Amino acid sequence: GNSVTQMEGPVTLSEEAFLTINCTYTATGYPSLFWYVQYPGEGLQLLLKATKADDKGSNKGFEATYRKETTSFHLEKGSVQVSDSAVYFCALSPGGGNKLTFGTGTQLKVEL
Amino acid sequence: GAGVSQSPSNKVTEKGKDVELRCDPISGHTALYWYRQSLGQGLEFLIYFQGNSAPDKSGLPSDRFSAERTGGSVSTLTIQRTQQEDSAVYLCASSPRASGGTNTGELFFGEGSRLTVL
Repeated sequence: GNSVTQMEGPVTLSEEAFLTINCTYTATGYPSLFWYVQYPGEGLQLLLKATKADDKGSNKGFEATYRKETTSFHLEKGSVQVSDSAVYFCALSPGGGNKLTFGTGTQLKVEL
Repeated sequence: GAGVSQSPSNKVTEKGKDVELRCDPISGHTALYWYRQSLGQGLEFLIYFQGNSAPDKSGLPSDRFSAERTGGSVSTLTIQRTQQEDSAVYLCASSPRASGGTNTGELFFGEGSRLTVL
């Protein structure tokens, strides 16, 4: 079956530090890959996505590249801000996209 | 509003009671999903609707859980004879259908209904 594994949190960084949150997946075929973010007190929202190998999704300074050879979709940001503090979820959707399978989430705390 | 709306936002109930959770998806979204988020756990898929039918209900944890969708819009998740392990945040999401006829995989989530079973 499909599964997503992401690094455990919480991850605590100082403002302007470099961020990497690791995500690897197991899936048959060619899934689409997503990062969702859940800010405190809010619902999950799509951060970025990639639909095929070597695609790079980007939004709000965050990037992730779909690496089929390593089955990974690591989330990166060059300089985090306090406002980036949230829980980040990696997810995949099989081709045709009936439902998403989510990782367990990684909490990011950014301090001044 | 234009987003996914869920009610109630908070529900406290006694063990053994029935509860109903409601979801109003974004207008025009054909796909609707229910997920459960428990403390320290990820999002657990419960059921998926395409229109009014549920082609995938594989995530419903027991026969105490049921869901329906009417008019291709509002959905209700019902939990009968609630147990303490049912305590969680129940999330609803909707998704548009892509021009090619498949679902896009991009979900728009509501803020959830927090259920506490005493």
